[in-house]
Amino acid sequence: GAVVSQHPSWVICKSGTSVKIECRSLDFQATTMFWYRQFPKQSLMLMATSNEGSKATYEQGVEKDKFLINHASLTLSTLTVTSAHPEDSSFYICSARGQAGYNSPLHFGNGTRLTVT
Amino acid sequence: AQSVTQPDIHITVSEGASLELRCNYSYGATPYLFWYVQSPGQGLQLLLKYFSGDTLVQGIKGFEAEFKRSQSSFNLRKPSVHWSDAAEYFCAVGADNTDKLIFGTGTRLQVFP
Repeated sequence: GAVVSQHPSWVICKSGTSVKIECRSLDFQATTMFWYRQFPKQSLMLMATSNEGSKATYEQGVEKDKFLINHASLTLSTLTVTSAHPEDSSFYICSARGQAGYNSPLHFGNGTRLTVT
Repeated sequence: AQSVTQPDIHITVSEGASLELRCNYSYGATPYLFWYVQSPGQGLQLLLKYFSGDTLVQGIKGFEAEFKRSQSSFNLRKPSVHWSDAAEYFCAVGADNTDKLIFGTGTRLQVFP
């Protein structure tokens, strides 16, 4: 089946540094990728939707300049947490869809655990 | 706007017992509904989905769910739970005119031997 690879699976960084998380669709072309943030024992909060070759659409309350999303190709989207702070520590999950519409399955990466010290 | 409520934060069942996880949604039209399962520290796996047609849908791993419009519910069921079913379960609804999914807060399932 379709696979979405997310890297790294975990990362620890110092406050003030930037961290890049990659999301790759390994065996299909992802027209749309979604980035979620999950707090401990809570649901997934959609951060942004990215379409290849266009700017990401951010959800209300998500800082665009802090969470930079780049969907440079049909198989790769990146999320960069800029000037990270401890409150950015969280579990970040990407998902990808091969075609628009709910009939196209949504495939999830295994997530990235970010810890900012 | 759509929303999803999972009333049960945590459920504990014995292995072999039946299971029902509740999900209520808020949406004016016929919703797109999904159930996902998440193992610790991992992404989500689709169990089943409902778009239209037969209101009882079968999924993977022996799970099924029933769409009840009158109750705005889409409860997940399994007749006999296995220890490997212990995980976090999320109900989700498709958002208006987009590809986005709105997730419920999840139900953590514990299975005792």
